Amino acid sequence: DGGITQSPKYLFRKEGQNVTLSCEQNLNHDAMYWYRQDPGQGLRLIYYSQIVNDFQKGDIAEGYSVSREKKESFPLTVTSAQKNPTAFYLCASINPGGLTEAFFGQGTRLTVV
Amino acid sequence: AQSVTQPDIHITVSEGASLELRCNYSYGATPYLFWYVQSPGQGLQLLLKYFSGDTLVQGIKGFEAEFKRSQSSFNLRKPSVHWSDAAEYFCAVGARGFQKLVFGTGTRLLVSP
Repeated sequence: DGGITQSPKYLFRKEGQNVTLSCEQNLNHDAMYWYRQDPGQGLRLIYYSQIVNDFQKGDIAEGYSVSREKKESFPLTVTSAQKNPTAFYLCASINPGGLTEAFFGQGTRLTVV
Repeated sequence: AQSVTQPDIHITVSEGASLELRCNYSYGATPYLFWYVQSPGQGLQLLLKYFSGDTLVQGIKGFEAEFKRSQSSFNLRKPSVHWSDAAEYFCAVGARGFQKLVFGTGTRLLVSP
């Protein structure tokens, strides 16, 4: 079955540590997105990528980095520069050329310990 | 710039009663509009979408939404709510090319017996 897989489901980070969240899709979608979700704030866009080897900052990119070396994969690194990383992170993909919706992974909950 | 407003943070509805969740958007061109539902700790599932054509769109689980261009609204409705409908609901606006899919802050639906 086609879909988006995020891993791990739960992740714990120590202060000053970088962590990487995985997002893989087998939908053959060109565009991929990372959102951060906090209670009462909806989904805020961190980074997005329209094609391989290209990505753009979203509204809250500070303290995050991404790469897009393969069409199927769009990993997100939460760096030590992100001062408040505890949140729920959602990855999505879209086929921008078609009339379709965004498909979402099941999310990763990151907690700083 | 695109924006979405969901004015109700929480709504409580009795089981079997009707439901309307409000969504207002701001976008200069013809928008693509979506409603998603999220259960706790899960990803987002698409309920319905509007791209063009008939302004009343039907979705899954008995939901429908009506696009009103004059009011910049895309309200979600259901004639009879079930306890399993308790979740958080997000309205989103995008455009062809999907460079940015913008979400509202969400409405949490509580269903009382």
